Amino acid sequence: GESVGLHLPTLSVQEGDNSIINCAYSNSASDYFIWYKQESGKGPQFIIDIRSNMDKRQGQRVTVLLNKTVKHLSLQIAATQPGDSAVYFCAGLAGGGADGLTFGKGTHLIIQP
Amino acid sequence: DTAVSQTPKYLVTQMGNDKSIKCEQNLGHDTMYWYKQDSKKFLKIMFSYNNKELIINETVPNRFSPKSPDKAHLNLHINSLELGDSAVYFCASSQDQLQGSSKGYTFGSGTRLTVV
Repeated sequence: GESVGLHLPTLSVQEGDNSIINCAYSNSASDYFIWYKQESGKGPQFIIDIRSNMDKRQGQRVTVLLNKTVKHLSLQIAATQPGDSAVYFCAGLAGGGADGLTFGKGTHLIIQP
Repeated sequence: DTAVSQTPKYLVTQMGNDKSIKCEQNLGHDTMYWYKQDSKKFLKIMFSYNNKELIINETVPNRFSPKSPDKAHLNLHINSLELGDSAVYFCASSQDQLQGSSKGYTFGSGTRLTVV
């Protein structure tokens, strides 16, 4: 199966700064990863995904980096805004996806004014 | 229109009761899921259901049972509720079970279940 974990439970950054959220996974067979954002009282929302044949993917203000050698991925958020405050999860698919997305523990990102 | 909708949003009930949570998706997705989120925000898959095939996480008690009247619905039935069942339950759907589609899974807004 897949095990996905995060290094820091809470990350506090100043508004306007860049933030980096890290995630480690255990199953080298994982071939699809997603970052989700969960705001209070809401369900997880898709941010960005990356497949194992890529090492970087960019979206609007977000970049996901994948390092398969050390089984690590990160989410970079540029120029953070108050609306970025949320819990961020990495999730991975392995074993053909039959086991469903496996989520990490989550990092609470706090944007300081 | 809400893509994945769950009802109720909040559910408070006594131990021993039987309850259901409904889920509907209007995305035309092939696979639906139920996840449980505990007090530490950890999300754990309970079930996935695709084309009449049910995949169950072996750690889920058999008091929990999903029911799918059609492709757009996957309801969660819970019998003999226990205190430890208190959590937030999320329904989700995806186009492709194997790869989760290019947008991953789409989640509902959750049902907060409190067992007293």
